Amino acid sequence: EAGVTQFPSHSVIEKGQTVTLRCDPISGHDNLYWYRRVMGKEIKFLLHFVKESKQDESGMPNNRFLAERTGGTYSTLKVQPAELEDSGVYFCASSPWTGSSYNSPLHFGNGTRLTVT
Amino acid sequence: GDSVTQMEGPVTLSEEAFLTINCTYTATGYPSLFWYVQYPGEGLQLLLKATKADDKGSNKGFEATYRKETTSFHLEKGSVQVSDSAVYFCALRGTGGFKTIFGAGTRLFVKA
Repeated sequence: EAGVTQFPSHSVIEKGQTVTLRCDPISGHDNLYWYRRVMGKEIKFLLHFVKESKQDESGMPNNRFLAERTGGTYSTLKVQPAELEDSGVYFCASSPWTGSSYNSPLHFGNGTRLTVT
Repeated sequence: GDSVTQMEGPVTLSEEAFLTINCTYTATGYPSLFWYVQYPGEGLQLLLKATKADDKGSNKGFEATYRKETTSFHLEKGSVQVSDSAVYFCALRGTGGFKTIFGAGTRLFVKA
């Protein structure tokens, strides 16, 4: 099966610009997550979709971040306008919906490295 | 809230040395515990997991035991190889939700 794919792999933008990251989860995975790792620190949760619905967006830093998952397939994460502190690696992960999803592992993409200058 | 603390790196070892990467957690109830590994240029992938106290997860020569009494899930390998050089992340997921909490990662360098 194809894995989780993310695009682009790298993005360099100037402060104030807009960037949109895309994630294609593994086909059939209802759970989709966005995470971010900044400067070698812990990987922080941003939000969780179940199909097209936002299940938990408690980790979204502020209203400059907007995530969508129209149709319950791929997802986009838009940052508008970007600030310097948004730099980091953005990971997408997916997992199937099961009765015991709490112990199902996540399948990660390779990440998008975002640099805001 | 739930949290994971793992030893800071980098850890540098010679080939065939014994590896331990410490991980402790704070959580209510009985979370599931995971170790993920990120090889250079790749995304994270599951290395092993344990879902209840005293469970031992193992894979590729790595092991970790879920210790409820010490809230720990230390990663061990008896003889590391150069190909084990990577960043290792300890993580937990509580029974009450779907959010996985990660530690800061420990970078391992193995020298030939």
